[in-house]
Amino acid sequence: NAGVTQTPKFRVLKTGQSMTLLCAQDMNHEYMYWYRQDPGMGLRLIHYSVGEGTTAKGEVPDGYNVSRLKKQNFLLGLESAAPSQTSVYFCASSRNTHEQYFGPGTRLTVT
Amino acid sequence: DAKTTQPPSMDCAEGRAANLPCNHSTISGNEYVYWYRQIHSQGPQYIIHGLKNNETNEMASLIITEDRKSSTLILPHATLRDTAVYYCIVSPLSGGYNKLIFGAGTRLAVHP
Repeated sequence: NAGVTQTPKFRVLKTGQSMTLLCAQDMNHEYMYWYRQDPGMGLRLIHYSVGEGTTAKGEVPDGYNVSRLKKQNFLLGLESAAPSQTSVYFCASSRNTHEQYFGPGTRLTVT
Repeated sequence: DAKTTQPPSMDCAEGRAANLPCNHSTISGNEYVYWYRQIHSQGPQYIIHGLKNNETNEMASLIITEDRKSSTLILPHATLRDTAVYYCIVSPLSGGYNKLIFGAGTRLAVHP
């Protein structure tokens, strides 16, 4: 099993550009999450999904949209990137248990 | 969700036990205590969780006080590979999932 994978690993955007981050999991997990981590800080929850076709807002949802069209994929979109969205983005998944499994992260820089 | 308080940094000698404290004085009855760690900017890794009782697995032990207002994560024989940021999180498991709120954590440095 590959676990949780994230695409791309690195990306540089200019202010106002858009992009989509892809998270994929091969563990048949029901729940998926997107977090961001700014330098020297802990992770903050952006959006999450409790099943295919469902999404919900987390702690810091503004400026992001998400979709979960397939159970194994969770997409995070930035429609108009801002420098404040420069961060490391982590995806995670879980089943009906306590443990969340995290991906390796995507480093995004917005100039 | 309840907030947690952890020391910003700790040191430990290789081979010795590392005891990482966490205060969560406002924890609710349905909230679990979770520990995750993050090694060098990798994705966080689950370590252990507990509700009321002490717990042990192959990675660590979790000691929760009787009033549940604080806990300690114990790494019994720390190695250099245990150098990481350790996060103590309290959260309910609602509907089979939980929304984790990470603080700044404790940066543990294990030295030879």
